[in-house]
Amino acid sequence: EADIYQTPRYLVIGTGKKITLECSQTMGHDKMYWYQQDPGMELHLIHYSYGVNSTEKGDLSSESTVSRIRTEHFPLTLESARPSHTSQYLCASSARLNTGELFFGEGSRLTVL
Amino acid sequence: QQPVQSPQAVILREGEDAVINCSSSKALYSVHWYRQKHGEAPVFLMILLKGGEQKGHEKISASFNEKKQQSSLYLTASQLSYSGTYFCGTERIIQGAQKLVFGQGTRLTINP
Repeated sequence: EADIYQTPRYLVIGTGKKITLECSQTMGHDKMYWYQQDPGMELHLIHYSYGVNSTEKGDLSSESTVSRIRTEHFPLTLESARPSHTSQYLCASSARLNTGELFFGEGSRLTVL
Repeated sequence: QQPVQSPQAVILREGEDAVINCSSSKALYSVHWYRQKHGEAPVFLMILLKGGEQKGHEKISASFNEKKQQSSLYLTASQLSYSGTYFCGTERIIQGAQKLVFGQGTRLTINP
């Protein structure tokens, strides 16, 4: 069982609000990732981190930002939510990429009205 | 640079076999396979690390042809529990950083 947690699971919010999606893992993994996934569609990498104070943008451009102040914590923030941000956001972590699996959280489903 | 999966969708009866392919236009360092059930997170199935490698997980196995830059996932005597969307992920080294990029997914439906 994966020890990676995301909150909230579901969030419905109005346009212009600031939101933070939380992601925590207790496995001591250095590598953490945020993927964005629309229903029934593929997973797009939007942010990743290889350790504390390391963050990089992924392949899909995103208006969200991330921080990595502690190894176990990798929150994602949207300063001003818009309907186009409506999606599912999946957090994942791994010990090593080329020989280690990704452990996914259960996801945060965001709806912006 | 995203891997391409085929077919996009498969409908089977319980007990039938299926093959899902994953191909890339770039050199492959490793191939990951994941299964995602509706409303749930993707779950790891297996990683193949080098050309010619084959792995099995119950009645699900996979092969990796490094030369052809492709991997195939084989589901034998499918069970209802195999239903879901299967994603392959390929490792890319971009600007010195390793990233896992996923294909568009193959939706597998197993009917009784």
